[in-house]
Amino acid sequence: LAKTTQPISMDSYEGQEVNITCSHNNIATNDYITWYQQFPSQGPRFIIQGYKTKVTNEVASLFIPADRKSSTLSLPRVSLSDTAVYYCLVHNAGNMLTFGGGTRLMVKP
Amino acid sequence: EPEVTQTPSHQVTQMGQEVILRCVPISNHLYFYWYRQILGQKVEFLVSFYNNEISEKSEIFDDQFSVERPDGSNFTLKIRSTKLEDSAMYFCASSEVRFGGTYEQYFGPGTRLTVT
Repeated sequence: LAKTTQPISMDSYEGQEVNITCSHNNIATNDYITWYQQFPSQGPRFIIQGYKTKVTNEVASLFIPADRKSSTLSLPRVSLSDTAVYYCLVHNAGNMLTFGGGTRLMVKP
Repeated sequence: EPEVTQTPSHQVTQMGQEVILRCVPISNHLYFYWYRQILGQKVEFLVSFYNNEISEKSEIFDDQFSVERPDGSNFTLKIRSTKLEDSAMYFCASSEVRFGGTYEQYFGPGTRLTVT
């Protein structure tokens, strides 16, 4: 399993763009990169997934360089409700997800 | 939007008792999972289930745990003889089967299990 490393915590202010970078040096050829969000006492919620280059959906963008050894989750114009823990996961098309410690994002007014 | 539901939201039990946690996955999903999260710690994979059998399980999922799909809609996790260290939030998740790619796991709201 590819190990991921991401910041333990980040602070931001409302309206700012937040970029959370995750390193995964041992990513395998058939691995995908997926980001989940978790609020206190709730289940993780899927945000975005990619394999290479850039992926964008209605809530976030995911940037993956050509070597795929890292990825950056970009949250545009965050609000207080984006305060949560964000998990970077690397996995293949198999079943289990291995969660690390995540990045605790605090958005301040 | 379809969602995974779990009951009960909170279960309190005494050490040594059996508990059954229930989940209703999203209706067209065929893969089912249980994860747990001890307070303040990481989300940990327990088991995955497909085609009426266990696909993968972690070291945590020992003989005191079992899973079952008793009918077409429910997916259950049974803990035979609970221990204090089983106190955690238990999350059920489900996903579609997509071949040649990967998939999104939808998580339920969780059942908080407290063993006293």
